[in-house]
Amino acid sequence: ILNVEQSPQSLHVQEGDSTNFTCSFPSSNFYALHWYRWETAKSPEALFVMTLNGDEKKKGRISATLNTKEGYSYLYIKGSQPEDSATYLCARYGQNFVFGPGTRLSVLP
Amino acid sequence: ETGVTQTPRHLVMGMTNKKSLKCEQHLGHNAMYWYKQSAKKPLELMFVYSLEERVENNSVPSRFSPECPNSSHLFLHLHTLQPEDSALYLCASSQPIGVNQPQHFGDGTRLSIL
Repeated sequence: ILNVEQSPQSLHVQEGDSTNFTCSFPSSNFYALHWYRWETAKSPEALFVMTLNGDEKKKGRISATLNTKEGYSYLYIKGSQPEDSATYLCARYGQNFVFGPGTRLSVLP
Repeated sequence: ETGVTQTPRHLVMGMTNKKSLKCEQHLGHNAMYWYKQSAKKPLELMFVYSLEERVENNSVPSRFSPECPNSSHLFLHLHTLQPEDSALYLCASSQPIGVNQPQHFGDGTRLSIL
């Protein structure tokens, strides 16, 4: 199984701050990169699915970019709100589907 | 309403018991998945079903036995589990298996093995 890494493991930001975190993955045999948001006591919710190098996706204040050649994706949150507090998971679709360990975001009011 | 319902939400069982986890999806999807999340570990894919056929089995011990009687239902039959099997078990579904299909998850079953 090929490792998918995420950094940082956790972070705390103030309401209104913008933030970003990284998903890194093996670039060989790559097919797609998924991002999910997982709030405590809820189920993971799909944010983005990206397949092409250079892909950029946006959903409200959240956006993501993909670099398949170097094997990384960034997730950006602009103007963080307390309701953005969650664990953000990325998952790489290659020969199998592998999740990263997640970045736990806490937005302080 | 997530569209994917898992029961029970919590389950405590002894190592010699036999129990089943149930997953039902109301989204018209035809691919379903079982995942395991142990403490401080990433989500691990266990099984994948597409059109009721098992298409992936990630070296899961035989004490876990999946069953997909139709495209809306998925079961995970458990027998003679070990304490290290205590974890959150998540079910998910998607449109036909494809790299660009997001997965829709249930709320999970929290399993504790005594």
